[in-house]
Amino acid sequence: DQQVKQNSPSLSVQEGRISILNCDYTNSMFDYFLWYKKYPAEGPTFLISISSIKDKNEDGRFTVFLNKSAKHLSLHIVPSQPGDSAVYFCAASGRVQAGTALIFGKGTTLSVSS
Amino acid sequence: DAGITQSPRHKVTETGTPVTLRCHQTENHRYMYWYRQDPGHGLRLIHYSYGVKDTDKGEVSDGYSVSRSKTEDFLLTLESATSSQTSVYFCAISESRDYGYTFGSGTRLTVV
Repeated sequence: DQQVKQNSPSLSVQEGRISILNCDYTNSMFDYFLWYKKYPAEGPTFLISISSIKDKNEDGRFTVFLNKSAKHLSLHIVPSQPGDSAVYFCAASGRVQAGTALIFGKGTTLSVSS
Repeated sequence: DAGITQSPRHKVTETGTPVTLRCHQTENHRYMYWYRQDPGHGLRLIHYSYGVKDTDKGEVSDGYSVSRSKTEDFLLTLESATSSQTSVYFCAISESRDYGYTFGSGTRLTVV
């Protein structure tokens, strides 16, 4: 059963507008959440993270919001740029064991048109 | 990515043959991971290591084994490759969970 869900496989946005990517999780033991961006033929790169003790984390054009009661997080990109076109993966982890590994969603492909 | 390299980058192999993928890091990070990426499945964990000779299984470990005899190298072995193991394989490293992972550029494996 999927523990991290990204229900929208794709999203199209115009340059300059806001992009909102959503992620839901089922495991209440998750306490750390991350977003990764992936371009074709490259490995994923870390974008932004948030701990469960916070409900918002901002880094430049990127903001992640966490709603623990709804087990939902979202990534906002403002303003969106064509270079943001990529696959975005949501990931989560919990302090269940040493070396706990990230669980990833299936990804959302963002297309930003100019 | 700087500090982590995967080899080979591309490989075509025949069903039933053994295959070993290598991940090498120069960051001296404790944790290393192998993921596979498939359409419709995202990134799925195969195996991970939390120290030399310390490894554990992920959600899709069947048909794979790993070894880590030194900090810098993490090997993924397909004992007898099958077509279902055609995928892109990513290695990742992390110093601790709070810093996120650094991924390699991936190995595209095709089993024919």
